[in-house]
Amino acid sequence: NAGVTQTPKFQVLKTGQSMTLQCAQDMNHEYMSWYRQDPGMGLRLIHYSVGAGITDQGEVPNGYNVSRSTTEDFPLRLLSAAPSQTSVYFCASRSAAGAEDNEQFFGPGTRLTVL
Amino acid sequence: DAKTTQPTSMDCAEGRAANLPCNHSTISGNEYVYWYRQIHSQGPQYIIHGLKNNETNEMASLIITEDRKSSTLILPHATLRDTAVYYCIVRVQGGADGLTFGKGTHLIIQP
Repeated sequence: NAGVTQTPKFQVLKTGQSMTLQCAQDMNHEYMSWYRQDPGMGLRLIHYSVGAGITDQGEVPNGYNVSRSTTEDFPLRLLSAAPSQTSVYFCASRSAAGAEDNEQFFGPGTRLTVL
Repeated sequence: DAKTTQPTSMDCAEGRAANLPCNHSTISGNEYVYWYRQIHSQGPQYIIHGLKNNETNEMASLIITEDRKSSTLILPHATLRDTAVYYCIVRVQGGADGLTFGKGTHLIIQP
């Protein structure tokens, strides 16, 4: 299993540009989440999904959109990038069932800079 | 989810046991204690979790006090690769939303 994969690893945008951060998992996990991490801080939840077609907002959803058309993929869209969105973005997934729901698996992160 | 309090940083000598404390005095009866760590620039990694009994796995041991208001993560024989930020998280098991991360404890293993 590849686990949770994220692309790209690095991205530089100009203010106002749009882009999509990709996240995919091959573990057939129902739950997927997006976090952002600013320097010296813990991770903050942006959006999450409990299954295909179902998404909900986390702690810091403004400026971001998500969709979940398949179990495997959970892309994060920035419609109009702002410097305040400069951060490291982590995607995560976990199973909803039984003892497996204890562990959340994280991707390697996407480092985004908005100029 | 209950709030947790951890020291900002700790040092430990290589080969010794690293004991990382966490206070969670407002924990509810159905909330578990989870530990994750984040090695520099990588995504967080699950370590262990528990409700009220002490737990041990191949990575660490988790000691939860009888009143459940605090816990200690123990890395029995710390190595340089254990240098990381360690997060103590309290939450209800099975919740659909994500984890609430504080600033964690930066553990530095000294050679």
